[in-house]
Amino acid sequence: AQSVTQLGSHVSVSEGALVLLRCNYSSSVPPYLFWYVQYPNQGLQLLLKYTTGATLVKGINGFEAEFKKSETSFHLTKPSAHMSDAAEYFCAVSYGGATNKLIFGTGTLLAVQP
Amino acid sequence: NAGVTQTPKFQVLKTGQSMTLQCAQDMNHNSMYWYRQDPGMGLRLIYYSASEGTTDKGEVPNGYNVSRLNKREFSLRLESAAPSQTSVYFCASRTQTTGRIGELFFGEGSRLTVL
Repeated sequence: AQSVTQLGSHVSVSEGALVLLRCNYSSSVPPYLFWYVQYPNQGLQLLLKYTTGATLVKGINGFEAEFKKSETSFHLTKPSAHMSDAAEYFCAVSYGGATNKLIFGTGTLLAVQP
Repeated sequence: NAGVTQTPKFQVLKTGQSMTLQCAQDMNHNSMYWYRQDPGMGLRLIYYSASEGTTDKGEVPNGYNVSRLNKREFSLRLESAAPSQTSVYFCASRTQTTGRIGELFFGEGSRLTVL
């Protein structure tokens, strides 16, 4: 079955430090890949997505992610964490087609320490 | 711009009661989805509607029914609520453009507690 794994349900970084949130997918067919962010008591909003083309994708709020087919990974990074980045982050995959369902990972809660 | 609107935002039910969660989108999207979010489990797809007039089961459909009333509205019904259905429910929608993967837009969620 197609799935997505996020390593680390909780990640804590200091303000100004590198943010690295890990995501791996299981499929021999490259999927479409997404990162969503959820702030407390809100719905999810799209950070960035990879469909085709350049494997390094830039998103909102200074985040970026790199699709590595050989590692079946799509890790999310940000060079310098800000307090406002504290949120839950979800990686998701889709294989397109008529239904275009999104399969979500279990999420990573990012805490940013002053 | 309303986007995806869910009602109610909060609801408390007793075991065995029924209720319907309403969802409406004003973005002319073809596809609509219902997810539930539980701690440590991420979002799991309950039902989806790829286009008006069609609905299909997702990962966790048991205990739920849906209706795609028209292009704008997609409701989720719990016929006989159980404590295991205590969760936060999210409705989402996206366009279905050939050759492109459209962004999924989410509502703000409906927090349901079943006692």
